[in-house]
Amino acid sequence: EVQLVESGGGLVQPGGSLRLSCAASGFTFSSYAMSWVRQAPGKGLEWVSAISGSGGSTFYADSVKGRFTISRDNSKNTLYLQMNSLRAEDTAVYYCAKDPYTEPYYFDYWGQGTLVTVSS
Amino acid sequence: DIQMTQSPSTLSASVGDRVTITCRASQSVSSWLAWYQQKPGKAPKLLIYKASSLQSGVPSRFSGSGSGTEFTLTISSLQPDEFATYYCQQYKSYSLTFGGGTKVEIK
Repeated sequence: EVQLVESGGGLVQPGGSLRLSCAASGFTFSSYAMSWVRQAPGKGLEWVSAISGSGGSTFYADSVKGRFTISRDNSKNTLYLQMNSLRAEDTAVYYCAKDPYTEPYYFDYWGQGTLVTVSS
Repeated sequence: DIQMTQSPSTLSASVGDRVTITCRASQSVSSWLAWYQQKPGKAPKLLIYKASSLQSGVPSRFSGSGSGTEFTLTISSLQPDEFATYYCQQYKSYSLTFGGGTKVEIK
């Protein structure tokens, strides 16, 4: 059974940093692209970042480019999102999502999400 | 970036109704389109990929159609568990984008 479990969310001040993790199990982690998708309170879904199965290619939404860094450790079956220079508008539930391919396309499995709140 | 626009934003329907949701792309995405269902407080669930392919385990009353810039998601007979918000998502470009969502409410 595919499982994706996010952690690392919490309250952080504007300008601060946070690192999210997503522990994956139930599939061959290195064979699939992974993404982070966020949802601000009461709003729709926004794709944030993706990484290929090998980790050799990364992709970012313009809204986070230069501030967020996606990475993965295939030996630990874990996906990460390093978030720097956080802003109030980054407040959201962050979901980890699995792609059915090695490059980012769409999402066949999702985690339960972790809440990030950026506020002073 | 490719912009995705869904209509309507809210839809009132009754159990048993046929429901149709539209998604339009700002440029052609060919058939590179997925649909998701999201219930309050839960993660989204994949329903349809490649515009019309039904994800394993999804009831056949869900169907998708379209190509290029205009797509539809149809629920042939709405069930009580399917009052939720539905999103489309394009994957023609690696800058993935979602539509704004369509909330299906009880009439």
